[in-house]
Amino acid sequence: RKEVEQDPGPFNVPEGATVAFNCTYSNSASQSFFWYRQDCRKEPKLLMSVYSSGNEDGRFTAQLNRASQYISLLIRDSKLSDSATYLCVVNFDSWGKLQFGAGTQVVVTP
Amino acid sequence: GEEVAQTPKHLVRGEGQKAKLYCAPIKGHSYVFWYQQVLKNEFKFLISFQNENVFDETGMPKERFSAKCLPNSPCSLEIQATKLEDSAVYFCASSQSRTDSYEQYFGPGTRLTVT
Repeated sequence: RKEVEQDPGPFNVPEGATVAFNCTYSNSASQSFFWYRQDCRKEPKLLMSVYSSGNEDGRFTAQLNRASQYISLLIRDSKLSDSATYLCVVNFDSWGKLQFGAGTQVVVTP
Repeated sequence: GEEVAQTPKHLVRGEGQKAKLYCAPIKGHSYVFWYQQVLKNEFKFLISFQNENVFDETGMPKERFSAKCLPNSPCSLEIQATKLEDSAVYFCASSQSRTDSYEQYFGPGTRLTVT
């Protein structure tokens, strides 16, 4: 079983719609949680850190559920530029090493 | 600088040759991490540094891989005697400190092709 699991998608989303997807992690001692986006094998770009209380950044909302060991990302009012692979990333220990999910592909269509 | 810089962008090596990759972290960042991305989206952690000291090397295949971060020089990752399976994109990331939950910022990567 992978340590960080994501639905690979693709999620095909009409422009302006809302899309949400989850990620589960296996290590209950996980310390930090992030969403990154990656375009066409370019570098991962930090989208947002995910905090216990949940957090929002513009059209993006992230939630953390420690009891069920999952994090979620919701994108409102989807733009064509939101088309990308969204990587769920978890820091399992105090050494900073990141564990990556395989990514969820989102395709926003006109 | 304001971004993580990596050179070269692409590197092609024959099997058995040496490959050396470079990374300059964001100015003021104390931590440097190296990751290998193979195939789809599988990222593998290799090694991390706190300034010039190895911080965590649990991901390094030590028989052929080595890495350094020396003062006033870019960090480097070296692969001796490359194998076909080393073909991947190698990303370097830097982080400011341990107190920001290790938010890591990635460089553009070096694509290594071993033929």
